[in-house]
Amino acid sequence: DQQVKQNSPSLSVQEGRISILNCDYTNSMFDYFLWYKKYPAEGPTFLISISSIKDKNEDGRFTVFLNKSAKHLSLHIVPSQPGDSAVYFCAASAYRSGAGSYQLTFGKGTKLSVIP
Amino acid sequence: DVKVTQSSRYLVKRTGEKVFLECVQDMDHENMFWYRQDPGLGLRLIYFSYDVKMKEKGDIPEGYSVSREKKERFSLILESASTNQTSMYLCASSNAGLAGGAYEQYFGPGTRLTVT
Repeated sequence: DQQVKQNSPSLSVQEGRISILNCDYTNSMFDYFLWYKKYPAEGPTFLISISSIKDKNEDGRFTVFLNKSAKHLSLHIVPSQPGDSAVYFCAASAYRSGAGSYQLTFGKGTKLSVIP
Repeated sequence: DVKVTQSSRYLVKRTGEKVFLECVQDMDHENMFWYRQDPGLGLRLIYFSYDVKMKEKGDIPEGYSVSREKKERFSLILESASTNQTSMYLCASSNAGLAGGAYEQYFGPGTRLTVT
């Protein structure tokens, strides 16, 4: 059962326009959400995150919105640039008390292509 | 900057071979993780470790084992490699507990393993 879903495998956007990547989750115990960016043949790199007690977090061109009632979050990239072309993974965090650590559950990813 | 390194970028092994994938982090992180990434399936957690000699199964531990003898090093072992273990393997590390930044995981560059 997929707890974190990214329903769009791919997205194409013109350079300069807004990119909106969506993510849905089912587990209400998730308390922190993250977006990672991954280029081919490289490991994922952390992009931006949001706590479950907030509804918006902004960092430069990147903004993440969280709608807890809908169990939905989105990543907005404005303006989109060709260098943003990558696979974006949504991840949700839950605390595992037995291990004393957080575990991330990832979505399947959305491949963003920004067209010059 | 956090650095997570993996022993090989590309590896080709034969069916039935024992395979060792090594991961080293230099930030004194308590937690270390092994994931595999497959097209259309995203990142799936194989095992993680929250302390030296401590380990927890992730979502897909079958066919794998792990070893953590030192804090900075986490090894993934394929006891008898099979073709369905052909994948990209990613190692990650993070801080422990409820301290700030505990949610964020830092990834290595990945090892592309092909089992023939």
